[in-house]
Amino acid sequence: QKEVEQDPGPLSVPEGAIVSLNCTYSNSAFQYFMWYRQYSRKGPELLMYTYSSGNKEDGRFTAQVDKSSKYISLFIRDSQPSDSATYLCAISSASKIIFGSGTRLSIRP
Amino acid sequence: EAQVTQNPRYLITVTGKKLTVTCSQNMNHEYMSWYRQDPGLGLRQIYYSMNVEVTDKGDVPEGYKVSRKEKRNFPLILESPSPNQTSLYFCASTETSGRGIHEQFFGPGTRLTVL
Repeated sequence: QKEVEQDPGPLSVPEGAIVSLNCTYSNSAFQYFMWYRQYSRKGPELLMYTYSSGNKEDGRFTAQVDKSSKYISLFIRDSQPSDSATYLCAISSASKIIFGSGTRLSIRP
Repeated sequence: EAQVTQNPRYLITVTGKKLTVTCSQNMNHEYMSWYRQDPGLGLRQIYYSMNVEVTDKGDVPEGYKVSRKEKRNFPLILESPSPNQTSLYFCASTETSGRGIHEQFFGPGTRLTVL
């Protein structure tokens, strides 16, 4: 079993839709939870991070963590064509970080 | 400008010909790492370094070597490349806290093809 499982997509939605991206993880030792965004032919960039259960909002983005079920989600409201990218979840401990395989998202104008 | 640089950006080589991909960061970060990214497999960590002269294996270290003689540089060495090492490689650096690694700054990537 992989330590982080991510819905592979690809996902295509119309502009303005709410997008839900999801990951599960298996090891409770990991305490930081992150979402990275990667545009084509670029390196990943940190979008959001949290270390507690619950929701964290940043503009149109909400990261949600449920430690009891080892489930992390990213919601995008009012999605825009510029949100089209690959989204990677990641979990980390003091010395290790593990990425999900990524979900390719396309927002149709 | 704070950045991670990698060179070369693109490389086509042949099986068995030793190569080095350089990585340098200007943010005084202690933690640096190398990843490979393959379709359907995501980012997988090859090696990481928590400080100068301290390196450790990640999830897929076979066929790779690294060194960390200076804080800013973390080269990736392929002593005898094989076709299964054809991939997109990223170097990254970060500060760390006691809890975990969070914002990693990634380089632009090196696309390697081994024939």
